[in-house]
Amino acid sequence: KQEVTQIPAALSVPEGENLVLNCSFTDSAIYNLQWFRQDPGKGLTSLLLIQSSQREQTSGRLNASLDKSSGRSTLYIAASQPGDSATYLCAVFVEYGNKLVFGAGTILRVKS
Amino acid sequence: KAGVTQTPRYLIKTRGQQVTLSCSPISGHRSVSWYQQTPGQGLQFLFEYFSETQRNKGNFPGRFSGRQFSNSRSEMNVSTLELGDSALYLCASHRPPSGNTGELFFGEGSRLTVL
Repeated sequence: KQEVTQIPAALSVPEGENLVLNCSFTDSAIYNLQWFRQDPGKGLTSLLLIQSSQREQTSGRLNASLDKSSGRSTLYIAASQPGDSATYLCAVFVEYGNKLVFGAGTILRVKS
Repeated sequence: KAGVTQTPRYLIKTRGQQVTLSCSPISGHRSVSWYQQTPGQGLQFLFEYFSETQRNKGNFPGRFSGRQFSNSRSEMNVSTLELGDSALYLCASHRPPSGNTGELFFGEGSRLTVL
């Protein structure tokens, strides 16, 4: 059974800091890994999608890496801003079941 | 290009009632998935539909059901509501045509409160 763990559970940083969010998964049989952002009371916004054959993806100040063999992914946020405050969710698309398995998320607060 | 649309956004029901939630996927997307989000359990997979067929189902009781129409719109139904069914229900639209390697796009969700 696939399990996804995100560390840390919560993070509070001053504006301008670079930060790293961690995600680990127990079964390497995945099609892809997606990072999402969720604002309070809202749905999920897709940030980055990394296919299982890829090592990393970049979008603006965001960079996500994937090490499928070790079951790890990191989301790097450069020069954090108060608007980055949200919950960040990592999810893997499993080969069986045609579904996403989510981590519990990291609650990020960027202080101005 | 319109995103995933879910209706209603908010609803309040009482125990024992039933509820139907609707999801319109992104135009051209044929796969729709449903997820339940609660503070205690996080995000959990309910079921997935493709071309009007349920392909996969999560570990939820039979009170949870769904269907997909020929235009790819989907509905999910929860019967005999329980307090524990209070949650944010999220619908996801899956980009074709590359099978399971595509990106999922989520709607804003339907927040259900059961009293």
